Amino acid sequence: DAGITQSPRHKVTETGTPVTLRCHQTENHRYMYWYRQDPGHGLRLIHYSYGVKDTDKGEVSDGYSVSRSKTEDFLLTLESATSSQTSVYFCAIRTQGTLTYEQYFGPGTRLTVT
Amino acid sequence: TQLLEQSPQFLSIQEGENLTVYCNSSSVFSSLQWYRQEPGEGPVLLVTVVTGGEVKKLKRLTFQFGDARKDSSLHITAAQPGDTGLYLCAGANAGGTSYGKLTFGQGTILTVHP
Repeated sequence: DAGITQSPRHKVTETGTPVTLRCHQTENHRYMYWYRQDPGHGLRLIHYSYGVKDTDKGEVSDGYSVSRSKTEDFLLTLESATSSQTSVYFCAIRTQGTLTYEQYFGPGTRLTVT
Repeated sequence: TQLLEQSPQFLSIQEGENLTVYCNSSSVFSSLQWYRQEPGEGPVLLVTVVTGGEVKKLKRLTFQFGDARKDSSLHITAAQPGDTGLYLCAGANAGGTSYGKLTFGQGTILTVHP
């Protein structure tokens, strides 16, 4: 357990509304990531953060923004939700070992855009 | 762009059978991680292999990293219904400015029938 929580766990929203998902970690990890998971596409990186106020885009960042004002919280915002953003969203943190790094995942948020 | 090709995409077997899942790439990775994911949960890290040619065993699961660090395999001996789930491989990028990002395979959905 890497001390990662996500909220909400489930959300249904309407097309065009803004939505914010929260990832909270308790172990002071510097690196945090947001992914989406869809059938046939595996896990795709949306945005990532390498420190407070330091963020960058992943491979599927269009329509998403992020913020990290505190080490423990990484927020993902869908500025104007679309049906194509219906997905399961996972947050992850990175740990650094001697030879390599590993990622640990939160429990996910299932988002449905109607 | 680094890619990881995971195969097979689906595997349906009877309890007691053996199986192997493959992860292949043309790129070199500094390490390769295997995750298992159950419905409604986030991926859980099973193992990380770091050295070319490395073999790690986790009870009935055997993980191997290719000599050139471009491919990996997961072998399960005498599969049990509890092994059912989505198996994901992920490569840690070898570059120094990777920000801890991982390249994920598409996943293998394993179903073990009693």
